[in-house]
Amino acid sequence: GQNIDQPTEMTATEGAIVQINCTYQTSGFNGLFWYQQHAGEAPTFLSYNVLDGLEEKGRFSSFLSRSKGYSYLLLKELQMKDSASYLCAAPSTGGGNKLTFGTGTQLKVEL
Amino acid sequence: DSGVTQTPKHLITATGQRVTLRCSPRSGDLSVYWYQQSLDQGLQFLIQYYNGEERAKGNILERFSAQQFPDLHSELNLSSLELGDSALYFCASSPRGGAEGYTFGSGTRLTVV
Repeated sequence: GQNIDQPTEMTATEGAIVQINCTYQTSGFNGLFWYQQHAGEAPTFLSYNVLDGLEEKGRFSSFLSRSKGYSYLLLKELQMKDSASYLCAAPSTGGGNKLTFGTGTQLKVEL
Repeated sequence: DSGVTQTPKHLITATGQRVTLRCSPRSGDLSVYWYQQSLDQGLQFLIQYYNGEERAKGNILERFSAQQFPDLHSELNLSSLELGDSALYFCASSPRGGAEGYTFGSGTRLTVV
């Protein structure tokens, strides 16, 4: 099965950079996902890493180290609208490829 | 609009009752996943269907059941409702059962009083 850990909450300043970490233990590996979820809304896809290294997509980047079971999401030039929960997720390697989610990191962006 | 449609958006019902939540996947997607998100809790996987067949099961209570119909829409049935069943219920779909292209609907907020 999967075990995913991420910090419960973080606070950062508008315009700054923040890094949200995720560690995982999986019985196999089939990539790592990051989703953003605003309160009461659906999670929306941010990134998918299957190879080691950094994937950059605008203000958001995601990093993966398979050997360390570690990923991070990097958010640059923070905006107030980035205040949300950020969910790390890994697909199962058994039948179905369902996503198992971490409990999420609640990010608060302050002025 | 993600393309995944869930109805109703809100539902208030009494303990002991039964409700049905509906999900229409994105056009062309064969796989449907149901998740429960309670207040301050993470997304908990309930069940997955692929092209009409149950593919994977999570921590779904015996009081809960689901199915996927030939037109690929899915329904989640919750019975003998308890206060603790109050939560957001999300449906997601993906093209072939793989995690790529996993798209969520806007959810159904269930309140049991």
